[in-house]
Amino acid sequence: AQSVTQLDSHVSVSEGTPVLLRCNYSSSYSPSLFWYVQHPNKGLQLLLKYTSAATLVKGINGFEAEFKKSETSFHLTKPSAHMSDAAEYFCVVSESGTYKYIFGTGTRLKVLA
Amino acid sequence: EADIYQTPRYLVIGTGKKITLECSQTMGHDKMYWYQQDPGMELHLIHYSYGVNSTEKGDLSSESTVSRIRTEHFPLTLESARPSHTSQYLCASTRAGGYEQYFGPGTRLTVT
Repeated sequence: AQSVTQLDSHVSVSEGTPVLLRCNYSSSYSPSLFWYVQHPNKGLQLLLKYTSAATLVKGINGFEAEFKKSETSFHLTKPSAHMSDAAEYFCVVSESGTYKYIFGTGTRLKVLA
Repeated sequence: EADIYQTPRYLVIGTGKKITLECSQTMGHDKMYWYQQDPGMELHLIHYSYGVNSTEKGDLSSESTVSRIRTEHFPLTLESARPSHTSQYLCASTRAGGYEQYFGPGTRLTVT
């Protein structure tokens, strides 16, 4: 069975400092992994995806994530936080070809001026 | 930005009313989904569709129903709204053979 765990429910960083949002997954098969961002009262926007190609994935707005099979992790990073990055972030795991997308509980990122 | 639309964006209604939440996408995607999301919580799948005339219930039990008569349209109906239905409802779609989901902006429903 698939599952995903976001290890931090809240993360606070200062503007201009690095961001690390942690995600561990469990999957019986080769998974597809995603990070989405949700701003208040908005839908989810895809930041990046891993689908069995390069293990280091670059996304929009300077975010990237590294798929580490040995650690079953897919952590999201950004070198320098911006105020506009303040939002809720969801890690998602999916088994290719199925309807199932398993969402993590989300990490709320706060960026301090 | 993906072309997937939801109306209304916000809705406040009384208990017992019948409501339909609209979801449309202009991308020709075969797969469509409805999720329920409580504030600050993860998304739970309530319905999905692989194509026209194909609908299935998701993992979260729901008193709502859906239909898929046209590829681009996937409405969700509550026959008799209750306060326990108060939540945000998100619609999403995926193209055939694709991986990522595209989400609409959501409908925030409050049942009084």
